[in-house]
Amino acid sequence: ELKVEQNPLFLSMQEGKNYTIYCNYSTTSDRLYWYRQDPGKSLESLFVLLSNGAVKQEGRLMASLDTKARLSTLHITAAVHDLSATYFCAVETSNDYKLSFGAGTTVTVRA
Amino acid sequence: EAGVAQSPRYKIIEKRQSVAFWCNPISGHATLYWYQQILGQGPKLLIQFQNNGVVDDSQLPKDRFSAERLKGVDSTLKIQPAKLEDSAVYLCASSAAGWGEQYFGPGTRLTVT
Repeated sequence: ELKVEQNPLFLSMQEGKNYTIYCNYSTTSDRLYWYRQDPGKSLESLFVLLSNGAVKQEGRLMASLDTKARLSTLHITAAVHDLSATYFCAVETSNDYKLSFGAGTTVTVRA
Repeated sequence: EAGVAQSPRYKIIEKRQSVAFWCNPISGHATLYWYQQILGQGPKLLIQFQNNGVVDDSQLPKDRFSAERLKGVDSTLKIQPAKLEDSAVYLCASSAAGWGEQYFGPGTRLTVT
């Protein structure tokens, strides 16, 4: 069974500073997704990482994938309040394309 | 394009009662998924349909949960009888094929008392 671990689970950020969320997974996969979820809302797709070394950036968020290390990172640059949300990584298994989600990282950005 | 639609958005029932949720996927999407998201956890796949056939229901508690996707479009998920531990958000998602990016609906928040 594919295990996906995110850390930290909770992250209190100070506005203007940089932070990283880590996503480790247990078996081979070439496809990883990052989602954002606001309280009471559904999941919004942020990034799709399709191959080893993939890097995607959107605004203050940058995601990368290292399939050899089975690790993805979500880097937040100069945090702002509207980035407060829960961030999930989801790994797609290579044989059946099912998504396995991490437990999520709840981010709170304070002034 | 219109997104994934779900209803109701909220439901409160007593244990041992039954409940049904409805999902309308993005038009043309062949694959439909139901996930259960317990508070503080990531979504867990319950069942996956490809058109109107079941691809994977290995995580569906079949003694109380059932799902169908008639005509390969809309889907319903039913719980009968509900237990307290079924309290969760039930998310429906769809994708164009049996792989690739999934698009999620707003979810149905179920509270079992």
